[in-house]
Amino acid sequence: NAGVTQTPKFQVLKTGQSMTLQCAQDMNHEYMSWYRQDPGMGLRLIHYSVGAGITDQGEVPNGYNVSRSTTEDFPLRLLSAAPSQTSVYFCASSYSSGAKNIQYFGAGTRLSVL
Amino acid sequence: AQTVTQSQPEMSVQEAETVTLSCTYDTSENNYYLFWYKQPPSRQMILVIRQEAYKQQNATENRFSVNFQKAAKSFSLKISDSQLGDTAMYFCAFMKPHTSYGKLTFGQGTILTVHP
Repeated sequence: NAGVTQTPKFQVLKTGQSMTLQCAQDMNHEYMSWYRQDPGMGLRLIHYSVGAGITDQGEVPNGYNVSRSTTEDFPLRLLSAAPSQTSVYFCASSYSSGAKNIQYFGAGTRLSVL
Repeated sequence: AQTVTQSQPEMSVQEAETVTLSCTYDTSENNYYLFWYKQPPSRQMILVIRQEAYKQQNATENRFSVNFQKAAKSFSLKISDSQLGDTAMYFCAFMKPHTSYGKLTFGQGTILTVHP
């Protein structure tokens, strides 16, 4: 099992460009989430999904879109990148019950917006 | 809404000594989960230890243990016999079971440096 796979690991964008951060998990987890990590602020929830076709906003959703067409994939889209979106992004997944509610994290994507 | 506070931005400890990282949280829930995650320079998020609020016994995992004080809403992490590999950022996190859909609320993080 690969676990949670995030691509790319690093990305540099110019203001106004668009891009998609990819996240895939091979554990058949129902729940998937996207977080951003900023210095002094910990990790904050951007969007989450409880299953294919179902997504909802987290704490800091502005500027980001998500969709979940399959159980395995949960991409995060930046439609028009802004310098404020410079951050490290983490995708996480878990089962909906049992398994001690443990979240499995990807290795992260470091994004710089110039 | 839940909040998690880690009031120590940075800590340092000598190798083989013991260090305690602090975490407080605010919630009106009675049942919940608390976690400590380790983030080494590799950036990977690694689960260190987990505590269920309805369990009075403090969780332990080898050199890592917690002091869970439910009434005080405090959840500190003790690292015994510190090793150089413990150098990392440590995050405290909160989760409501059943209704949280896997969502975690994180503290700000504490950078721990272990000196030889």
